[in-house]
Amino acid sequence: DAKTTQPPSMDCAEGRAANLPCNHSTISGNEYVYWYRQIHSQGPQYIIHGLKNNETNEMASLIITEDRKSSTLILPHATLRDTAVYYCIVRAHVNTNAGKSTFGDGTTLTVKP
Amino acid sequence: EADIYQTPRYLVIGTGKKITLECSQTMGHDKMYWYQQDPGMELHLIHYSYGVNSTEKGDLSSESTVSRIRTEHFPLTLESARPSHTSQYLCASTYDRASGELFFGEGSRLTVL
Repeated sequence: DAKTTQPPSMDCAEGRAANLPCNHSTISGNEYVYWYRQIHSQGPQYIIHGLKNNETNEMASLIITEDRKSSTLILPHATLRDTAVYYCIVRAHVNTNAGKSTFGDGTTLTVKP
Repeated sequence: EADIYQTPRYLVIGTGKKITLECSQTMGHDKMYWYQQDPGMELHLIHYSYGVNSTEKGDLSSESTVSRIRTEHFPLTLESARPSHTSQYLCASTYDRASGELFFGEGSRLTVL
């Protein structure tokens, strides 16, 4: 799996959009970008994933650059409950890979009132 | 919400005791995983299973053992707990398809005195 680089921490004002970047310059053509978050040492929670097209669901949007070397997770209207560690993971869609992904240190997002 | 459960959530135990951390899921997932996570640190895969009677060791060496006698159940056992085993243990499962996202339990926080 390709290595990812994320800023260690970010702040965001409540109600504003939170934009979390992830660099994955060594990503391969068959590797997807996944995002999870972990709130206060609970189990991580899946947010979204994508290959090359931008994706949106009820939680967030994922913007992947055209060269796929970086991506941005967007929480459109951050709330205090979005304060968490956000993990960006890159992995190929191979049956045996799902749980073997390296979560890394992630980005600690702090949403402030 | 994901239907994956871990018990106990918190356990404080003396050195030398045998402990079993329970993990159950009601989603019919074949693949299940155990991770270990120290406070503020990244997740490390310690065990995984691709189905009944299948268990493998993960990337991080662990003195714990696991079993998979039933699809829905993936318990982790420490025969003789030591203070170095103090950590949070997270269980996860996923669908048997390449793109499956991981569903995590709430975690079991173990403290060995």
